[in-house]
Amino acid sequence: EAGVVQSPRYKIIEKKQPVAFWCNPISGHNTLYWYRQNLGQGPELLIRYENEEAVDDSQLPKDRFSAERLKGVDSTLKIQPAELGDSAVYLCASNAGTGKETQYFGPGTRLLVL
Amino acid sequence: LAKTTQPISMDSYEGQEVNITCSHNNIATNDYITWYQQFPSQGPRFIIQGYKTKVTNEVASLFIPADRKSSTLSLPRVSLSDTAVYYCLVGSTYGGSQGNLIFGKGTKLSVKP
Repeated sequence: EAGVVQSPRYKIIEKKQPVAFWCNPISGHNTLYWYRQNLGQGPELLIRYENEEAVDDSQLPKDRFSAERLKGVDSTLKIQPAELGDSAVYLCASNAGTGKETQYFGPGTRLLVL
Repeated sequence: LAKTTQPISMDSYEGQEVNITCSHNNIATNDYITWYQQFPSQGPRFIIQGYKTKVTNEVASLFIPADRKSSTLSLPRVSLSDTAVYYCLVGSTYGGSQGNLIFGKGTKLSVKP
C-alpha cells in the first residue's frame, strides 16, 4: 500500500514569492491534515479536512496561507506571499477518519525562504 | 488536551534497554497515551498507544501507572537505527477525526555503538 505522498520534497524561494505544496493521502483516507514543523520543534497542526470540508483551520494564518481539497482526495497548501519565518517542514498526514486509528505522515516538504 | 513533559535528550548504547518517561499530570479520563517516532527528513510514525497498565507490541512496551499521570516508553535492546526523536502525546483518540495531535518538543534519543 502506498503511503502519503508529498511534493516537492524541497523548495527554495525568495521572500514575497508564492509557493504551493501538494499532498496525496493514503487511498480511502477521509481525513487529511497539514502540519508545520519548525527546526527542533514538534509538528503543529495547520488545518484538518474531513473529505473536502475544512473542519479545523483555527491555526492556519489566513492572511497568507490557504488550502484546498476540492474532491476530497488530494490537497494543496499555498503560501502567498512567503515570509522568512515560513521556512519549515510542511507535513501532510491522513487517516481513515473513524476516530481511533493512527495518523500516517508523509515525508514532508522542506521550505527555505531567502 | 493534556500537556506533556519529557526529557529533551537521552543517550544510550547499542543493546541497552531505553526507558523514556513522559509526565502528563492533567490527563483526562478519556485520554489515551500515544508515542510517535520521527527520523530526520521523515514524518512521525506511530509506535504504541495505551490507556492503563502495560501494552506491548513488536517494537516497544508502554508502562502506565495506576494514576496515569506519567508513562514510560521502553525500547528493548536498542540499535543505532533507533536514533530518533520520540514524542509523547495525550488525547482522547489516536488523533483521528474526533481529536487533533498536539506534539511537544519530544525526546531526542542518540544511540551510540
